[in-house]
Amino acid sequence: DVKVTQSSRYLVKRTGEKVFLECVQDMDHENMFWYRQDPGLGLRLIYFSYDVKMKEKGDIPEGYSVSREKKERFSLILESASTNQTSMYLCASSLDSGGSEKLFFGSGTQLSVL
Amino acid sequence: GENVEQHPSTLSVQEGDSAVIKCTYSDSASNYFPWYKQELGKRPQLIIDIRSNVGEKKDQRIAVTLNKTAKHFSLHITETQPEDSAVYFCAADASGGSYIPTFGRGTSLIVHP
Repeated sequence: DVKVTQSSRYLVKRTGEKVFLECVQDMDHENMFWYRQDPGLGLRLIYFSYDVKMKEKGDIPEGYSVSREKKERFSLILESASTNQTSMYLCASSLDSGGSEKLFFGSGTQLSVL
Repeated sequence: GENVEQHPSTLSVQEGDSAVIKCTYSDSASNYFPWYKQELGKRPQLIIDIRSNVGEKKDQRIAVTLNKTAKHFSLHITETQPEDSAVYFCAADASGGSYIPTFGRGTSLIVHP
Protein backbone atom coordinates (compact mmCIF):
# COMPACT_ATOMS: atom_id res chain seq x y z
CA ASP A 1 0.00 0.00 0.00
CA VAL A 2 1.09 3.56 -0.62
CA LYS A 3 2.74 5.25 2.26
CA VAL A 4 2.88 9.00 2.65
CA THR A 5 4.95 9.98 5.64
CA GLN A 6 5.08 13.36 7.31
CA SER A 7 8.12 13.89 9.47
CA SER A 8 6.39 15.34 12.52
CA ARG A 9 2.97 14.73 14.08
CA TYR A 10 3.15 17.79 16.33
CA LEU A 11 5.30 20.92 16.10
CA VAL A 12 5.47 24.00 18.30
CA LYS A 13 7.29 27.01 16.93
CA ARG A 14 7.79 30.66 17.79
CA THR A 15 6.56 33.59 15.73
CA GLY A 16 9.18 34.55 13.15
CA GLU A 17 10.87 31.14 13.03
CA LYS A 18 11.52 29.41 9.74
CA VAL A 19 9.62 26.13 9.69
CA PHE A 20 10.14 23.09 7.48
CA LEU A 21 7.46 20.42 7.06
CA GLU A 22 8.66 17.32 5.27
CA CYS A 23 6.66 14.77 3.30
CA VAL A 24 7.89 11.58 1.65
CA GLN A 25 5.96 9.11 -0.52
CA ASP A 26 7.19 5.69 -1.49
CA MET A 27 5.16 4.86 -4.62
CA ASP A 28 6.80 6.94 -7.35
CA HIS A 29 3.81 9.28 -7.56
CA GLU A 30 3.98 12.22 -9.95
CA ASN A 31 1.79 14.65 -8.05
CA MET A 32 2.26 15.91 -4.52
CA PHE A 33 0.15 18.39 -2.60
CA TRP A 34 0.16 20.42 0.58
CA TYR A 35 -3.19 21.18 2.20
CA ARG A 36 -4.11 23.13 5.24
CA GLN A 37 -7.06 21.88 7.33
CA ASP A 38 -8.95 24.21 9.65
CA PRO A 39 -12.31 23.47 11.33
CA GLY A 40 -15.20 24.55 9.15
CA LEU A 41 -12.94 25.45 6.23
CA GLY A 42 -12.19 21.98 4.89
CA LEU A 43 -9.01 21.22 2.99
CA ARG A 44 -7.44 24.21 1.30
CA LEU A 45 -4.65 23.76 -1.22
CA ILE A 46 -1.43 25.65 -0.49
CA TYR A 47 0.89 24.36 -3.22
CA PHE A 48 1.19 21.37 -5.49
CA SER A 49 3.86 19.83 -7.66
CA TYR A 50 3.45 17.60 -10.70
CA ASP A 51 7.13 16.88 -11.25
CA VAL A 52 10.56 17.33 -9.73
CA LYS A 53 11.47 21.01 -9.39
CA MET A 54 8.00 21.99 -10.62
CA LYS A 55 5.58 23.78 -8.34
CA GLU A 56 2.30 25.61 -8.69
CA LYS A 57 0.44 27.87 -6.28
CA GLY A 58 -2.80 26.66 -4.86
CA ASP A 59 -5.57 28.71 -3.30
CA ILE A 60 -3.68 30.03 -0.25
CA PRO A 61 0.07 30.23 -1.03
CA GLU A 62 0.79 33.47 0.83
CA GLY A 63 3.41 33.00 3.54
CA TYR A 64 4.47 29.59 2.24
CA SER A 65 6.97 28.18 -0.22
CA VAL A 66 7.76 24.63 -1.31
CA SER A 67 10.65 22.55 -2.56
CA ARG A 68 10.70 19.36 -4.59
CA GLU A 69 14.27 18.37 -5.30
CA LYS A 70 13.50 14.65 -5.49
CA LYS A 71 10.38 12.93 -6.78
CA GLU A 72 9.56 11.29 -3.47
CA ARG A 73 9.98 14.36 -1.25
CA PHE A 74 7.91 17.54 -1.06
CA SER A 75 8.72 20.13 1.57
CA LEU A 76 6.57 22.99 2.82
CA ILE A 77 8.41 26.01 4.16
CA LEU A 78 7.06 28.78 6.36
CA GLU A 79 9.62 31.53 5.87
CA SER A 80 8.56 33.48 8.98
CA ALA A 81 5.91 31.66 10.98
CA SER A 82 2.94 33.65 12.22
CA THR A 83 0.19 32.76 14.68
CA ASN A 84 -2.40 32.59 11.89
CA GLN A 85 -0.45 29.68 10.42
CA THR A 86 -1.36 27.53 13.41
CA SER A 87 -3.17 24.66 11.72
CA MET A 88 -3.16 21.02 10.67
CA TYR A 89 -1.05 20.49 7.55
CA LEU A 90 -1.73 17.50 5.31
CA CYS A 91 0.50 16.24 2.56
CA ALA A 92 -0.92 14.08 -0.23
CA SER A 93 0.25 12.36 -3.38
CA SER A 94 -1.35 10.87 -6.47
CA LEU A 95 -0.04 8.92 -9.43
CA ASP A 96 -1.45 11.14 -12.19
CA SER A 97 -4.71 12.00 -13.91
CA GLY A 98 -6.57 9.73 -16.31
CA GLY A 99 -7.80 7.09 -13.93
CA SER A 100 -5.24 7.51 -11.15
CA GLU A 101 -6.54 10.57 -9.39
CA LYS A 102 -6.91 8.97 -5.94
CA LEU A 103 -5.14 11.03 -3.29
CA PHE A 104 -3.12 9.31 -0.58
CA PHE A 105 -2.74 11.47 2.50
CA GLY A 106 -0.14 11.62 5.20
CA SER A 107 -1.23 11.54 8.82
CA GLY A 108 -0.79 15.29 9.18
CA THR A 109 1.34 17.73 11.16
CA GLN A 110 -0.38 19.83 13.81
CA LEU A 111 1.60 23.06 13.89
CA SER A 112 1.23 25.54 16.72
CA VAL A 113 2.87 28.95 16.34
CA LEU A 114 3.19 30.83 19.61
CA GLY B 1 -11.56 28.27 -10.52
CA GLU B 2 -13.71 25.45 -9.23
CA ASN B 3 -16.03 26.10 -6.29
CA VAL B 4 -17.48 23.21 -4.28
CA GLU B 5 -20.30 23.74 -1.80
CA GLN B 6 -21.10 20.98 0.71
CA HIS B 7 -24.14 20.60 2.97
CA PRO B 8 -24.90 20.05 5.74
CA SER B 9 -21.89 20.94 7.85
CA THR B 10 -23.14 18.66 10.63
CA LEU B 11 -25.44 15.66 10.42
CA SER B 12 -26.67 13.70 13.40
CA VAL B 13 -28.56 10.41 12.90
CA GLN B 14 -29.61 7.36 14.87
CA GLU B 15 -27.93 4.05 14.18
CA GLY B 16 -29.73 2.31 11.32
CA ASP B 17 -30.97 5.51 9.71
CA SER B 18 -29.81 6.75 6.32
CA ALA B 19 -27.56 9.78 5.83
CA VAL B 20 -27.28 11.99 2.78
CA ILE B 21 -24.58 14.59 2.12
CA LYS B 22 -24.89 16.92 -0.85
CA CYS B 23 -22.35 18.84 -2.92
CA THR B 24 -22.57 21.25 -5.81
CA TYR B 25 -19.77 22.32 -8.10
CA SER B 26 -19.31 25.23 -10.46
CA ASP B 27 -17.05 24.04 -13.30
CA SER B 28 -19.04 22.11 -15.90
CA ALA B 29 -15.76 20.61 -17.19
CA SER B 30 -15.21 18.71 -13.92
CA ASN B 31 -15.36 14.99 -14.55
CA TYR B 32 -14.21 13.19 -11.41
CA PHE B 33 -15.93 13.36 -8.03
CA PRO B 34 -14.41 11.53 -5.06
CA TRP B 35 -15.57 11.28 -1.47
CA TYR B 36 -13.10 11.06 1.41
CA LYS B 37 -13.76 9.95 4.97
CA GLN B 38 -11.68 11.27 7.85
CA GLU B 39 -12.09 9.58 11.21
CA LEU B 40 -11.10 11.50 14.30
CA GLY B 41 -7.32 11.89 14.49
CA LYS B 42 -6.73 10.03 11.23
CA ARG B 43 -5.92 10.87 7.65
CA PRO B 44 -8.61 11.30 4.96
CA GLN B 45 -9.18 8.18 2.90
CA LEU B 46 -11.05 7.68 -0.35
CA ILE B 47 -14.27 5.72 0.16
CA ILE B 48 -16.01 6.04 -3.20
CA ASP B 49 -15.75 8.06 -6.40
CA ILE B 50 -17.76 8.65 -9.56
CA ARG B 51 -16.94 9.88 -13.04
CA SER B 52 -19.05 12.14 -15.18
CA ASN B 53 -20.08 9.37 -17.58
CA VAL B 54 -21.88 7.51 -14.76
CA GLY B 55 -25.02 8.56 -12.90
CA GLU B 56 -24.78 6.33 -9.84
CA LYS B 57 -22.30 4.02 -8.16
CA LYS B 58 -22.78 1.73 -5.16
CA ASP B 59 -20.43 -0.06 -2.80
CA GLN B 60 -22.23 -2.00 -0.10
CA ARG B 61 -23.89 0.56 2.19
CA ILE B 62 -22.58 3.64 0.42
CA ALA B 63 -23.64 5.12 -2.90
CA VAL B 64 -22.92 8.26 -4.85
CA THR B 65 -25.22 9.90 -7.38
CA LEU B 66 -24.31 12.55 -9.94
CA ASN B 67 -26.52 15.01 -11.77
CA LYS B 68 -24.32 16.70 -14.37
CA THR B 69 -27.06 19.04 -15.57
CA ALA B 70 -27.58 20.43 -12.10
CA LYS B 71 -23.84 20.13 -11.22
CA HIS B 72 -24.80 18.27 -8.11
CA PHE B 73 -23.61 15.03 -6.50
CA SER B 74 -24.52 13.28 -3.28
CA LEU B 75 -23.24 10.61 -0.88
CA HIS B 76 -25.80 8.19 0.52
CA ILE B 77 -25.06 5.95 3.50
CA THR B 78 -27.71 3.38 4.43
CA GLU B 79 -28.07 1.47 7.71
CA THR B 80 -25.62 3.77 9.44
CA GLN B 81 -23.38 2.38 12.15
CA PRO B 82 -21.39 4.17 14.89
CA GLU B 83 -18.17 3.50 12.94
CA ASP B 84 -19.56 5.68 10.14
CA SER B 85 -19.07 8.68 12.45
CA ALA B 86 -16.45 10.85 10.76
CA VAL B 87 -15.95 13.96 8.66
CA TYR B 88 -16.78 13.42 5.00
CA PHE B 89 -15.34 15.57 2.22
CA CYS B 90 -16.52 15.79 -1.36
CA ALA B 91 -14.26 17.04 -4.13
CA ALA B 92 -14.31 17.96 -7.80
CA ASP B 93 -11.43 18.41 -10.17
CA ALA B 94 -10.41 21.90 -11.21
CA SER B 95 -8.08 21.63 -14.16
CA GLY B 96 -7.88 20.06 -17.59
CA GLY B 97 -4.43 18.59 -17.07
CA SER B 98 -3.16 17.06 -13.86
CA TYR B 99 -5.89 16.33 -11.39
CA ILE B 100 -6.07 19.04 -8.73
CA PRO B 101 -9.17 18.54 -6.60
CA THR B 102 -11.10 21.29 -4.89
CA PHE B 103 -12.68 20.09 -1.65
CA GLY B 104 -15.92 20.98 0.04
CA ARG B 105 -15.78 22.19 3.62
CA GLY B 106 -16.71 18.83 5.07
CA THR B 107 -19.67 17.26 6.86
CA SER B 108 -19.33 15.96 10.39
CA LEU B 109 -21.54 12.84 10.59
CA ILE B 110 -22.46 11.62 14.05
CA VAL B 111 -24.20 8.26 14.36
CA HIS B 112 -25.81 7.73 17.76
CA PRO B 113 -26.03 4.12 18.99
